[in-house]
Order: sequence, then C-alpha cells, then structure tokens
Amino acid sequence: DQQVKQNSPSLSVQEGRISILNCDYTNSMFDYFLWYKKYPAEGPTFLISISSIKDKNEDGRFTVFLNKSAKHLSLHIVPSQPGDSAVYFCAASASWGGADGLTFGKGTHLIIQP
Amino acid sequence: NAGVTQTPKFQVLKTGQSMTLQCAQDMNHNSMYWYRQDPGMGLRLIYYSASEGTTDKGEVPNGYNVSRLNKREFSLRLESAAPSQTSVYFCATSPTRSGYNEQFFGPGTRLTVL
Repeated sequence: DQQVKQNSPSLSVQEGRISILNCDYTNSMFDYFLWYKKYPAEGPTFLISISSIKDKNEDGRFTVFLNKSAKHLSLHIVPSQPGDSAVYFCAASASWGGADGLTFGKGTHLIIQP
Repeated sequence: NAGVTQTPKFQVLKTGQSMTLQCAQDMNHNSMYWYRQDPGMGLRLIYYSASEGTTDKGEVPNGYNVSRLNKREFSLRLESAAPSQTSVYFCATSPTRSGYNEQFFGPGTRLTVL
C-alpha cells in the first residue's frame, strides 16, 4: 500500500511558465514533507521542505503548499527553467513515534520545453 | 569536503555471489540510511543506523545485512545476491534521527545481478 503517491509520472511545461507537481499521502502520522530533485546517474538532492504546522513554504522560485485536511501537497516552480528538467520525488516522515527514514513517492519526471 | 561517498559506482554479480557496498560521510552526521531504487519506483528504505553502534530494519531488509563501522561509515552486505536485488542503491545521512531533518544522499551504486 503506497503511503505517498505521485500520480503523474511525467509533466511537460514550457520554459517561463509555472510547473505544479502534486503529491498525496495516506499516513496521518506524517508531519514533515520534503521535495527532492534527481538528475540521471546522481543521488537525490534536497529542494524544499514543510512541516505540518505550516501550509506554505517559499524558497526563491520554489513554493510548497500543504493541505493537511486533504492530505495533499504541491510544489510550484515559477518561472520554470531548462535546468529544472529532472525527476522530482515527494517524501514524508513521521517525526515522533514513526519509523526512521523517509517514505518516497514514485516520482514525477518534469520536462521543461524551450 | 566530499559529503557522502559510495563505492563502487557500478557492479555486476552472478546469482549467489556476495558483495559489500561501502558508504562514508564527512558531515559528522549521526544517522545513516540505505535505500534502493527500482525502475519506476521511489526509494525504499532497507536499513538505517540512528547512531554509531545501532542498526534497524527498514521497509525491505530481507537479503541484506549492515554494519555501522564507526560514525563515518555504514556498509551494506549482500550475502547471496539474487536477480531481484538488481537496483540502484543510495546511502544517505542526516544530523539526527529526528524526522525534522533533510537527508543528504550519495551518488548511488548501480548493481546488476545476473
């Protein structure tokens, strides 16, 4: 049973437009959420995170929104740039009383079209 | 300052052979993790070590053993490799076992078992 779901395997966006990547989760114990970016043949690199006490976190062109009642989060990239083309993983953890480690979604391949 | 290093980068084994994947970090982090990533899947936790001298099973531990040799090094051993263990293996670290921490990933080891 997948606890973190990214239902779009791929997403194509024009350069300069907004990219919106979505993620849903089922485990109510999750209270910290992260987005990772991964290029081929490299390890994932941390992008941005949000804790469950917030509903929004911004870092430059990247904003993560959390809707706890819907168990849904999204990553917005504005404006999208060619270097943003990568696989994006949503991940979650339960800070207290949960198992260690992160639970990952399957990833969304973002393609930025020139 | 290398961060998280993994050796080897690539390995091909025959069914039944054994090998050890090495991970080392210079970030002075307490917690270390081993994940595997299969095609079209997110990363799944194999084992983790919250601190030197402790190890615990993750989501998919069967067929693997680990050793936390010291604070810097965390190795993953396949005693009798099987084709189902063909995957990309990532080591990660975080400052503490608290869920409110990002994890830092190594570049990965691509393992093929024939």
